[in-house]
Amino acid sequence: GAGVSQSPSNKVTEKGKDVELRCDPISGHTALYWYRQSLGQGLEFLIYFQGNSAPDKSGLPSDRFSAERTGGSVSTLTIQRTQQEDSAVYLCATERDSSYNEQFFGPGTRLTVL
Amino acid sequence: LAKTTQPISMDSYEGQEVNITCSHNNIATNDYITWYQQFPSQGPRFIIQGYKTKVTNEVASLFIPADRKSSTLSLPRVSLSDTAVYYCLVGQYNFNKFYFGSGTKLNVKP
Repeated sequence: GAGVSQSPSNKVTEKGKDVELRCDPISGHTALYWYRQSLGQGLEFLIYFQGNSAPDKSGLPSDRFSAERTGGSVSTLTIQRTQQEDSAVYLCATERDSSYNEQFFGPGTRLTVL
Repeated sequence: LAKTTQPISMDSYEGQEVNITCSHNNIATNDYITWYQQFPSQGPRFIIQGYKTKVTNEVASLFIPADRKSSTLSLPRVSLSDTAVYYCLVGQYNFNKFYFGSGTKLNVKP
């Protein structure tokens, strides 16, 4: 596709449920990033993939968060046992590769935990 | 991990030059400085990037002093459509960690 796409665009869930967020990168982009943006706040870096590998997962807020990437393409961010403080916009960005220095962002998934 | 500090908000008028400064006192040798623009309900969009001295492209200039502890994004002749949040990002490419500050909300008035 022409840009980074994310699905769903909006997700409302109940506390304690698991959610899965999806990111489809620009074709050929090998680097992929997940960020979280709470209402009115800046972006919080979560995790980075080069290909299918995430060398450092320390940015994930808790062990309820996990991410994977398969085939060097689609990535999923999974949040288990969601909490109200998980409510935020989750943004995905991709780059041609990690040395190219320009991230292209998707429109984000707005997650609301009731 | 280098942190950044920016003014929370700035006001300007159409046609003026706007300068937004970002402080990053703990910037590391391998860090680049990148600026992004974000409109409501959209993901951030790359504006400009630099390592040292001055960088200019078709939309902005980036000034970085020799000590690299700060950087200034310069937007020439802003218009109403430049109203957005501007983020300064300091990151180590190939080292997997990036820090976005809280951003500067620029309000351009007619």
